[in-house]
Amino acid sequence: GESVGLHLPTLSVQEGDNSIINCAYSNSASDYFIWYKQESGKGPQFIIDIRSNMDKRQGQRVTVLLNKTVKHLSLQIAATQPGDSAVYFCAEKRTGGTSYGKLTFGQGTILTVHP
Amino acid sequence: DAGITQSPRHKVTETGTPVTLRCHQTENHRYMYWYRQDPGHGLRLIHYSYGVKDTDKGEVSDGYSVSRSKTEDFLLTLESATSSQTSVYFCAIGPFATEAFFGQGTRLTVV
Repeated sequence: GESVGLHLPTLSVQEGDNSIINCAYSNSASDYFIWYKQESGKGPQFIIDIRSNMDKRQGQRVTVLLNKTVKHLSLQIAATQPGDSAVYFCAEKRTGGTSYGKLTFGQGTILTVHP
Repeated sequence: DAGITQSPRHKVTETGTPVTLRCHQTENHRYMYWYRQDPGHGLRLIHYSYGVKDTDKGEVSDGYSVSRSKTEDFLLTLESATSSQTSVYFCAIGPFATEAFFGQGTRLTVV
């Protein structure tokens, strides 16, 4: 079927390793940065977000780091599992004025976890 | 899937025909969005709604129109389908915060 992953960056890891997925963003005015996971044939699923005034936020097995100086966002997945295999998107969101919570997505990264 | 239903899930249509995709939510969220997803492009916003009868254009709105006559339904219409509109279309709903919930998508092929 049609591949949403055509020409996307890829990351291959072994089960149990830690994974780091990177994203460069462009809009310094964004209020939130968000990571989504998309499995084949499904819609994106929210993983974790971070507000622009923070530099680190942890969830269950995931950590998001934000470096506003270089406009860089990363998602760290601890003890990666085969079920983590998916396409990961970063997204930016503004919440003020007439932005109405619109999301601007990055291109995505394909994560493949080998058993 | 957070109470979002997209219909149809798959559609093949001919160039020049009108097509309407439907997004139905049961969450009573004010904000609804239509995105398209193409290889290598991530998701791009087509149109969005911030209330009943309140809609606006996104970054790739040419060739599309939308309507929202009630809170639960957001319709996306391709007035005259073209091959460049072959894509996977996702509806999303969200509170005015960070977490948007996405539907399962509609795969549209224009031949």
